[in-house]
Amino acid sequence: AQSVTQPDIHITVSEGASLELRCNYSYGATPYLFWYVQSPGQGLQLLLKYFSGDTLVQGIKGFEAEFKRSQSSFNLRKPSVHWSDAAEYFCAVASLGQGGKLIFGQGTELSVKP
Amino acid sequence: DAGVTQSPTHLIKTRGQQVTLRCSPKSGHDTVSWYQQALGQGPQFIFQYYEEEERQRGNFPDRFSGHQFPNYSSELNVNALLLGDSALYLCASSQTGTGMNTEAFFGQGTRLTVV
Repeated sequence: AQSVTQPDIHITVSEGASLELRCNYSYGATPYLFWYVQSPGQGLQLLLKYFSGDTLVQGIKGFEAEFKRSQSSFNLRKPSVHWSDAAEYFCAVASLGQGGKLIFGQGTELSVKP
Repeated sequence: DAGVTQSPTHLIKTRGQQVTLRCSPKSGHDTVSWYQQALGQGPQFIFQYYEEEERQRGNFPDRFSGHQFPNYSSELNVNALLLGDSALYLCASSQTGTGMNTEAFFGQGTRLTVV
């Protein structure tokens, strides 16, 4: 069965520090992978996606993610965190690439210290 | 482009009642998916509509039903509400098309509280 695991429920980083949020997936075929961000009480905003090709994907707001098939991982990174990055981050895998059912991880809550 | 719009934004219902949530997809999108997000959890897929038919369904009971209209907008209906149905309900729209890599765009959600 397809699944997504985000091992870290809550992470706190200092403003200006680097960030890495972990995501591991279980999927039988080539996965379509996504990272979404959610501010309190809001919907989900897409940060970046991986469908195929270059395994290092650039997204909005200075985020990037690297697809590593051998490790079944799709970790999200940002070199320098801003206070406005504090939010909930969700990794997801799509069962069908084209707008198909998304399977989400539990989410990682990011807090940013001044 | 208004993006994905959902109504209402908040709703309070009593156990046993029925509720209808509405979603208008992003312009140019023809596929609507519904998700339930309980507090502190990731969203869970309820079902997806395309061409006015339910195309995929998640592990939700028959109390959850939906509909898609010719203009691609959609409704989610929940009957016999339980306290456990309290959650943020998210609508996502996308474009189904051969050879197109598309993504789902989410609305702001409807916060349903069952008392």
